[in-house]
This record gives sequence, structure tokens and C-alpha cells, in this order.
Amino acid sequence: NAGVTQTPKFRVLKTGQSMTLLCAQDMNHEYMYWYRQDPGMGLRLIHYSVGEGTTAKGEVPDGYNVSRLKKQNFLLGLESAAPSQTSVYFCASSYSMSGGPRDTQYFGPGTRLTVL
Amino acid sequence: GDSVTQMEGPVTLSEEAFLTINCTYTATGYPSLFWYVQYPGEGLQLLLKATKADDKGSNKGFEATYRKETTSFHLEKGSVQVSDSAVYFCALSVLNTDKLIFGTGTRLQVFP
Repeated sequence: NAGVTQTPKFRVLKTGQSMTLLCAQDMNHEYMYWYRQDPGMGLRLIHYSVGEGTTAKGEVPDGYNVSRLKKQNFLLGLESAAPSQTSVYFCASSYSMSGGPRDTQYFGPGTRLTVL
Repeated sequence: GDSVTQMEGPVTLSEEAFLTINCTYTATGYPSLFWYVQYPGEGLQLLLKATKADDKGSNKGFEATYRKETTSFHLEKGSVQVSDSAVYFCALSVLNTDKLIFGTGTRLQVFP
């Protein structure tokens, strides 16, 4: 049981390049999330998914796209990277998110992205 | 809207000191409350949680009590260790929102 895994762990891009971050979970969770973490700003939600084939915008969705073709995977894409997207990206998953006791989110180890 | 407010850090303590990190919240309905911890270079992991008023969550010597009357969920530990140095996030989940609302995090530094 690997939990939540993210690939790659590190990446350096040039402005305008594209890339995809992969998140995978083996806990059969319905809900998956992408966050970015920047110094002094805590965690900010980019996009999330409440089930296979669904996606929704979070707090800072501009410049990112996501897909959830399989229940266990949640992909985050940057079509044209910008220096403002330099950040640490975290994926998380949960069984539910309904205000109840099963709402624990499980986080991956993060991807450190630098855009030059 | 729903929100979480944490005390700003960093909090700097000597080993074996008493720790309190304040967290207050604003929410419609009756949220579940969480403390997450992030060790250097790692993702967040759940430290403890409480799902209804007067519940006490506890783990690894840390405790927090869900206080509905003061809308608070303060984190406490009686005797901190160097290994507790990390960033601590308070969070809440509210019915039908599909999301966790996080505070901005509080960095704890413990010196020997």
C-alpha cells in the first residue's frame, strides 16, 4: 500500500514549456486534489475531483488543467509554464469530503517545480 | 465564508517546553476539525482530528479539543521535542463543500 505517490519529484522548465504532473493513489479514494504551496501563503487549492471523470476549479486554477480518466490517477497539466508557477505541488486524496469523520486527506510527498 | 485563522509563527521553544498553537474558525454548520503536520521536505500528514463539539483529538502527545462555544481548536503538547519541529496546519471540512479549508500554517522550532 503506497498511499499517494507523485511523479516527478523535481522538475525544471523554461518559460513556455509544458508538462504533466502525475498523482496516483491506491486507497480507492473518490476525492483527489491538487494544491500549490508557496512561502508564506500556506496551501492553495488548484483543482479537485469528486470522482472519476469529474473535475472542478479551486482557488487558483488559471494556467492549469486537470484530468481524472481513472479513479486512481489525477493529472495536473501546465500548458505554457510561467515563472509564477514556480512552487511545490502537492496531491491529496480522501475517501469523502462531506463534513464528517472520514474526511481525512492523505498527501503525496510533493513535486518541486522551477520555471526559469 | 468558511475560514481558519492560526497564530503566526515562528514559534520558538526549548526542548520540554509547553506548546500551544491557537486556531479559531468560522463555519456555517458543524465542521470537522483537523491538525496536519508537515515535516521538512515532506507532504502534510494528519496529526489529529475531532468531528463534534467537545471531542478531543490526540496523537503523539499532542491534543486539541473542539470548542464550539469559542469556535476554537487549539493544539497543545506538554513537553515538546526537537523532532516536533515542523509546520502545523489547522483545517476544517464542512458539509457539502467537498474541500478542506486550511489555515496558513504555524512553524514550530524546538531547540535543545
